[in-house]
Amino acid sequence: DTAVSQTPKYLVTQMGNDKSIKCEQNLGHDTMYWYKQDSKKFLKIMFSYNNKELIINETVPNRFSPKSPDKAHLNLHINSLELGDSAVYFCASSQDVPGRALSGANVLTFGAGSRLTVL
Amino acid sequence: RKEVEQDPGPFNVPEGATVAFNCTYSNSASQSFFWYRQDCRKEPKLLMSVYSSGNEDGRFTAQLNRASQYISLLIRDSKLSDSATYLCVVILHTGFQKLVFGTGTRLLVSP
Repeated sequence: DTAVSQTPKYLVTQMGNDKSIKCEQNLGHDTMYWYKQDSKKFLKIMFSYNNKELIINETVPNRFSPKSPDKAHLNLHINSLELGDSAVYFCASSQDVPGRALSGANVLTFGAGSRLTVL
Repeated sequence: RKEVEQDPGPFNVPEGATVAFNCTYSNSASQSFFWYRQDCRKEPKLLMSVYSSGNEDGRFTAQLNRASQYISLLIRDSKLSDSATYLCVVILHTGFQKLVFGTGTRLLVSP
């Protein structure tokens, strides 16, 4: 069983379209994330949710809207896609304990990534 | 200045060599540190945590220097399979944790 699964794995679309990427984790973790890895391989956090509540929202255009229907799912919807949105989007989860640094608890488990290409 | 900085490499080493990477971080409030490994076109995976006293896992040794705000990773007796990008991760615990990744250091081990 895949711990963190995201779909689709590949997505090729035209500029201006709207697309979604879905993510599910079966680890029982409370916190889920979306990261973007650009062509220079820099991995940057976009959003983080804890128990369905948005806790981290980095400087990301409003065209990106995350949704967490329950703590095991975190989806990413992107409106009006632009060329610069082409990247690999990674979903991740962790068992975070607010305000405490627990050894091993804050390890991230990543999904396999969704490679988005905007033409 | 970036929050977490690494030399992008690539580091080209022969099999059996010892290689070391450094990573510097800018926020002195950083509390947890990790090394992740990312193979080409794959997701990052945890390699090892970095403890204050330094720690070892087989051929891999991680060190933390809080005074100078850097962490290091030493790989002894390099294998071909060690070829990958090594990502330094720093965590800020401000309420909820915020993980910040370095840009990664690419290692190429050749026969």
